[in-house]
Amino acid sequence: DIVMTQTPLSSPVTLGQSASISCRSSQSLVLSDGNTYLSWLQQRPGQPPRLLIYKISNRFSGVPDRFSGSGAGTDFTLKISRVEAEDVGVYYCMQTKQFPITFGGGTKVEIK
Amino acid sequence: EVQLVESGGGLVQPGGSLRLSCAASGFTFSSYAMSWVRQAPGKGLEWVSTISGSGGSTYYADSVKGRFTISRDNSKNTLYLQMNSLRAEDTAVFYCAKYQQLLPYDYWGQGTLVTVSS
Repeated sequence: DIVMTQTPLSSPVTLGQSASISCRSSQSLVLSDGNTYLSWLQQRPGQPPRLLIYKISNRFSGVPDRFSGSGAGTDFTLKISRVEAEDVGVYYCMQTKQFPITFGGGTKVEIK
Repeated sequence: EVQLVESGGGLVQPGGSLRLSCAASGFTFSSYAMSWVRQAPGKGLEWVSTISGSGGSTYYADSVKGRFTISRDNSKNTLYLQMNSLRAEDTAVFYCAKYQQLLPYDYWGQGTLVTVSS
């Protein structure tokens, strides 16, 4: 199974500042088709998860451009620029290269 | 508008069974794989199972293999999860989600709570 490791566990951030979350996979997430199967999800308190980013850096429909993804191979980053109150929640990275689909443990973003 | 609505959760004793349903609308249901993902209270996300659009291929987490069965009825636009031999550690909110390998989980239901307790 591919293990997804996220850091930090918690990220207190000041409104208007940036937050950065790292995700590392135990093996490359690149398939023979050349695509990298790494996505990011946001889960606000009391809500189901919501897709933010797919294929490392592609924002899903309706996702603000304050959210950006980067990385390659086994190391990936989600950056939230100009953090707003509505960004509070837990963020998960996820790999869909192979079954079982696996998630990182989550990073809680909270306002200082 | 895409909608996924889960139902069937509740309180069940250890060793018991439940069947979850997920009613889908707003997209061509039979064209997409579907998944169940669960979240234990206060914990992270855990993938449970995925089924192809035709229903011909199914995949399971080791933790539920042999106890849970995913299925779908494309004529009713409904996804199911039959859960047998339930354990306390199966207590979780179960979400259904639309799945594509490159655009995974673009839509989620609100979830249904399963509590396994005597």
